[in-house]
Amino acid sequence: AQSVTQPDIHITVSEGASLELRCNYSYGATPYLFWYVQSPGQGLQLLLKYFSGDTLVQGIKGFEAEFKRSQSSFNLRKPSVHWSDAAEYFCAVGGSFSGAQKLVFGQGTRLTINP
Amino acid sequence: KAGVTQTPRYLIKTRGQQVTLSCSPISGHRSVSWYQQTPGQGLQFLFEYFSETQRNKGNFPGRFSGRQFSNSRSEMNVSTLELGDSALYLCASRLGGNTEAFFGQGTRLTVV
Repeated sequence: AQSVTQPDIHITVSEGASLELRCNYSYGATPYLFWYVQSPGQGLQLLLKYFSGDTLVQGIKGFEAEFKRSQSSFNLRKPSVHWSDAAEYFCAVGGSFSGAQKLVFGQGTRLTINP
Repeated sequence: KAGVTQTPRYLIKTRGQQVTLSCSPISGHRSVSWYQQTPGQGLQFLFEYFSETQRNKGNFPGRFSGRQFSNSRSEMNVSTLELGDSALYLCASRLGGNTEAFFGQGTRLTVV
């Protein structure tokens, strides 16, 4: 069965510092991987996705993620965080079975930014 | 282009009642999925519809059901509400095939 682990429940970084959020997945075939961000009381916004090809993917808001098959990881990075990046971040894995796609999410990492 | 629209945004219901939530996907998207988000269980997949057919179902009791109409709009119904059904219910739409999902703002359901 698919599963996603986000080891860090809560991370605090200073504004302007670099950020890395960890994500490890378990999936029996080639995974489709996603990072979503959620502000309080809001829905999920897609930051970036990996389906195939280049293992370093660029997303919105200056985020990037690297797919490492050997480590079953898909870590999210940003070189310099802004106060507006404070939110909850979710890693998700999906696959296709008979044309359907079900996303399995990690428990999320809450990001706090210190001014 | 309009995003995924969920109505209503907030609902308060009493135990034992039933509730219907609505989702209008992005224009042209044929796949609609539903997720439940709670502090304890996180984000859990409920079901997916594609061209009016349920393609996949999560591990939820039969009280949770859904349907999709010919215009791709979807509704989710929960019967005999329990306190534990209090959650944020999120709808996501996809073009189809292996494409990314776009989420709505969610419906916050509170059962009292």
